[in-house]
Amino acid sequence: GIQVEQSPPDLILQEGANSTLRCNFSDSVNNLQWFHQNPWGQLINLFYIPSGTKQNGRLSATTVATERYSLLYISSSQTTDSGVYFCAVSNSGGSNYKLTFGKGTLLTVNP
Amino acid sequence: GAGVSQSPSNKVTEKGKDVELRCDPISGHTALYWYRQRLGQGLEFLIYFQGNSAPDKSGLPSDRFSAERTGESVSTLTIQRTQQEDSAVYLCASSLGAVPLEQFFGPGTRLTVL
Repeated sequence: GIQVEQSPPDLILQEGANSTLRCNFSDSVNNLQWFHQNPWGQLINLFYIPSGTKQNGRLSATTVATERYSLLYISSSQTTDSGVYFCAVSNSGGSNYKLTFGKGTLLTVNP
Repeated sequence: GAGVSQSPSNKVTEKGKDVELRCDPISGHTALYWYRQRLGQGLEFLIYFQGNSAPDKSGLPSDRFSAERTGESVSTLTIQRTQQEDSAVYLCASSLGAVPLEQFFGPGTRLTVL
């Protein structure tokens, strides 16, 4: 099946800093989503971005499907940004509804 | 509008008991998914329902796991003869319809098997 690798696995920032999280995938995709899992375990949808660029406030994301990667940018980070960020994809072929998740990036933003 | 809801939020059971987990998708969403998240891990796909089509059960880890869905509404995931390795958070998601579409997740049920 499709493989999803996220980097870095852990990231520690001071409040106000910027960061870039990366997601590499091994095959063509028809769905790519970024999630933030808060300390209570809830998965919050950040972006649905199988291709292109989107922005939402301090967050933006870019997916270059032909090169099989996606980037999540967090600017002016806040302590409330702490948590685990997951990238999830579904393969264009076969069972193209199953999301395959990466192992996540654990982000800690210190005040 | 209301999001995906799941119940119970927490379930503690003894090894060997059966458990039933419930998911209510977003109204109007025809596709429903179950995933499992073990401690410190990403999510693993379990099962997919879409309308009246036969479900994709390929992710169910053993025959102790089963799931049903009534029409395009509530779904139940049943685990029989629970084992300690079944301890995990079970998350349900729904999407508007045919693939590929954005999936929205419920808060999960944390299952602990003693």
